[in-house]
Amino acid sequence: GENVEQHPSTLSVQEGDSAVIKCTYSDSASNYFPWYKQELGKRPQLIIDIRSNVGEKKDQRIAVTLNKTAKHFSLHITETQPEDSAVYFCAASSISGGYQKVTFGIGTKLQVIP
Amino acid sequence: NAGVTQTPKFQVLKTGQSMTLQCAQDMNHNSMYWYRQDPGMGLRLIYYSASEGTTDKGEVPNGYNVSRLNKREFSLRLESAAPSQTSVYFCASCGVGTGSGQETQYFGPGTRLLVL
Repeated sequence: GENVEQHPSTLSVQEGDSAVIKCTYSDSASNYFPWYKQELGKRPQLIIDIRSNVGEKKDQRIAVTLNKTAKHFSLHITETQPEDSAVYFCAASSISGGYQKVTFGIGTKLQVIP
Repeated sequence: NAGVTQTPKFQVLKTGQSMTLQCAQDMNHNSMYWYRQDPGMGLRLIYYSASEGTTDKGEVPNGYNVSRLNKREFSLRLESAAPSQTSVYFCASCGVGTGSGQETQYFGPGTRLLVL
């Protein structure tokens, strides 16, 4: 089955600096890679996603890159703000047997220091 | 449009008690999922339902049962709760298909379960 590894497990940055979270996956059938942000006590919410036919995607201060050959993808947050503090999960997924098979990383706790 | 809803929000059980966690979605999604979230473990799939009338085991199904009551509702039952089932439980739904964005999973607010 799919295995998703996520690094680092914790990350502290100064406000205004950039943050990078990296994930690797093992199953070449995975073709959809969402990133979720989970604030304390809240549900995971999608912040950005990328499909296997795209190498990079940006949305304001957030960008995701994908290297299919190396089977790794990364989340980049620029100009970090205190409200970016949360746990971020990467995931790798594919359609299998009529349902979306999703495997999550263990999460990265990001702390933005004012 | 409420999205994905879950009840209850919080529950305390004694070892051996049973309970059902309820989940409903109003997005006309085919697929629904139950995850548990434990510190340092990420989100682990308990059971899923690809479509109404079908259910299958995920990564950690032991001690749980599910029912896909109709397209909207997917419940998770603990027949005899154990302390190891203390966790936060999230329901999710997905409109898997061929359209852009259909693969996104939408999560409910979660149920915090404490088994004593």
